[in-house]
Amino acid sequence: DSGVTQTPKHLITATGQRVTLRCSPRSGDLSVYWYQQSLDQGLQFLIQYYNGEERAKGNILERFSAQQFPDLHSELNLSSLELGDSALYFCASSDSNRQETQYFGPGTRLLVL
Amino acid sequence: ILNVEQSPQSLHVQEGDSTNFTCSFPSSNFYALHWYRWETAKSPEALFVMTLNGDEKKKGRISATLNTKEGYSYLYIKGSQPEDSATYLCASSNNAGNMLTFGGGTRLMVKP
Repeated sequence: DSGVTQTPKHLITATGQRVTLRCSPRSGDLSVYWYQQSLDQGLQFLIQYYNGEERAKGNILERFSAQQFPDLHSELNLSSLELGDSALYFCASSDSNRQETQYFGPGTRLLVL
Repeated sequence: ILNVEQSPQSLHVQEGDSTNFTCSFPSSNFYALHWYRWETAKSPEALFVMTLNGDEKKKGRISATLNTKEGYSYLYIKGSQPEDSATYLCASSNNAGNMLTFGGGTRLMVKP
């Protein structure tokens, strides 16, 4: 158990809908990272937050957004969902903004029908 | 954008065999190389973080080496056991330091 929690574990929704994925980092970690694992691609970095502020952006679509709250939990919002958004979404946390080990949560499996 | 590649894609070995696989990454602007172990239905588990050329790290029967000048890292497993069966991921980061670029992974299956 990495100490990172994610909810929900599974999510099934329809095209055009909006969903929110939630992540609680390990106690004391200030950085939260979001990754997407699609069937045909490896883990793709989406976005990083550090102590409430956005710090790095990867291949995140404009339909997706994230935020980190004062209690350090983070939410990833996915809107106008398409079939191709079906994937495993991981959250990871680390204790700093620089290159420390990232600890991964169990992931949220999203299926868009 | 970094391009990280791993080989082989998959590997079948017998229990007791030693094995190794490769991660290659762009050496320019390199900052750190991470290895993760990812079992089915679980989350990726951190194995090593390496930053210095020539670095070697060891954890039980698993070890890793790093060559930042030529842009590759090897992961070795000595005396493979069925419980070593997993996908092994490597990830590289550049000087900005906060974004990991993952390779496609090497899927290891150890037969008893």
